[in-house]
Amino acid sequence: QKEVEQDPGPLSVPEGAIVSLNCTYSNSAFQYFMWYRQYSRKGPELLMYTYSSGNKEDGRFTAQVDKSSKYISLFIRDSQPSDSATYLCAITQGGSEKLVFGKGTKLTVNP
Amino acid sequence: EAGVAQSPRYKIIEKRQSVAFWCNPISGHATLYWYQQILGQGPKLLIQFQNNGVVDDSQLPKDRFSAERLKGVDSTLKIQPAKLEDSAVYLCASSLLRLTYEQYFGPGTRLTVT
Repeated sequence: QKEVEQDPGPLSVPEGAIVSLNCTYSNSAFQYFMWYRQYSRKGPELLMYTYSSGNKEDGRFTAQVDKSSKYISLFIRDSQPSDSATYLCAITQGGSEKLVFGKGTKLTVNP
Repeated sequence: EAGVAQSPRYKIIEKRQSVAFWCNPISGHATLYWYQQILGQGPKLLIQFQNNGVVDDSQLPKDRFSAERLKGVDSTLKIQPAKLEDSAVYLCASSLLRLTYEQYFGPGTRLTVT
């Protein structure tokens, strides 16, 4: 079983839709949960990170962690064409431990 | 604040040739990472430096890959000899101290081995 599983998509939605992106993980020791956004031919950029369970909101983006189910989610409200990118979840056990990335989900928001 | 710089952006070589990539991290970032991202996959850590010392190189194919970070700033990653399966994007990232959950990535070097 892979440490982090992420559906690669692709996912195509109309502008203004609510987008839900998800990852599951296998190691209950993971504590830090990140979402990175990667535009085509660019490096990943950190979007949000959360520590342990709960929700974290930043503008149109909400990150959610359910440690009991080993499930993390990223919600994008009022999606825009500029949100079209690949979204990577990343997880680590501790603040200085190795990041484990999912495969990434390719999202296209159509005008 | 300048971001992580990498060069070259693209490189095409034949198998069995050698290649080197260069990275300049964000000023003041003590930790530097090299990742390999194969098409359709997430980045995989190859090596992590703390200043000029190696913290983790457990996934670096040491028979063909080498990396150094002289003076604790710039870093180079070398592949010699290259194989077809080395075709990937090589990403450099840096972070303040060893806070791996907050890494800043460069644009990457896209390597094609023919």
